[in-house]
Amino acid sequence: DAKTTQPPSMDCAEGRAANLPCNHSTISGNEYVYWYRQIHSQGPQYIIHGLKNNETNEMASLIITEDRKSSTLILPHATLRDTAVYYCIVRVGSGGYNKLIFGAGTRLAVHP
Amino acid sequence: NAGVMQNPRHLVRRRGQEARLRCSPMKGHSHVYWYRQLPEEGLKFMVYLQKENIIDESGMPKERFSAEFPKEGPSILRIQQVVRGDSAAYFCASSRSDGSNEQYFGPGTRLTVT
Repeated sequence: DAKTTQPPSMDCAEGRAANLPCNHSTISGNEYVYWYRQIHSQGPQYIIHGLKNNETNEMASLIITEDRKSSTLILPHATLRDTAVYYCIVRVGSGGYNKLIFGAGTRLAVHP
Repeated sequence: NAGVMQNPRHLVRRRGQEARLRCSPMKGHSHVYWYRQLPEEGLKFMVYLQKENIIDESGMPKERFSAEFPKEGPSILRIQQVVRGDSAAYFCASSRSDGSNEQYFGPGTRLTVT
């Protein structure tokens, strides 16, 4: 699975958009970008994933660059409850084997 | 639809005892994964199971650790002769077998070895 690089920490004001970047310059054509988060030692929570098109769901938006070497997770209106460690994971996503390899992630702090 | 269930949520064992951690996947999920998170560290993959089969145990310590996912009942992660270094949070995740790949995690079992 491709290696990802994320900033160790970020801050965001409540109500503002939180934009979390991820670099994955060695991504292969059949690898998806997944985002999970872990809120204060709870079980990780799936957020969103994509292959090459931008994706949006009720939690967030995922913007993937045209060359697929980087992506940005957008929380449009961050709340205090979004304070968590966010993990960007790149892996083959077309069924079958499904191991997730977690890096250090980005620790997002949302403040009032 | 109930989520992934793990029990117990907290488990205290003395050195040398056995620990059994249970995981019930989400309804309709037949793939189970176990991860371990040591204090102040990231999550590390341990083992991937399907019903009655271990698919990948590359992350399992070579000794004392075993996992199973029987035809009926929950998946079990078993740690024999626990040592202090086994103290960690153990998370279970499950996913469907229809090609979708989202893993849904349980709340974890926090094992403390005294």
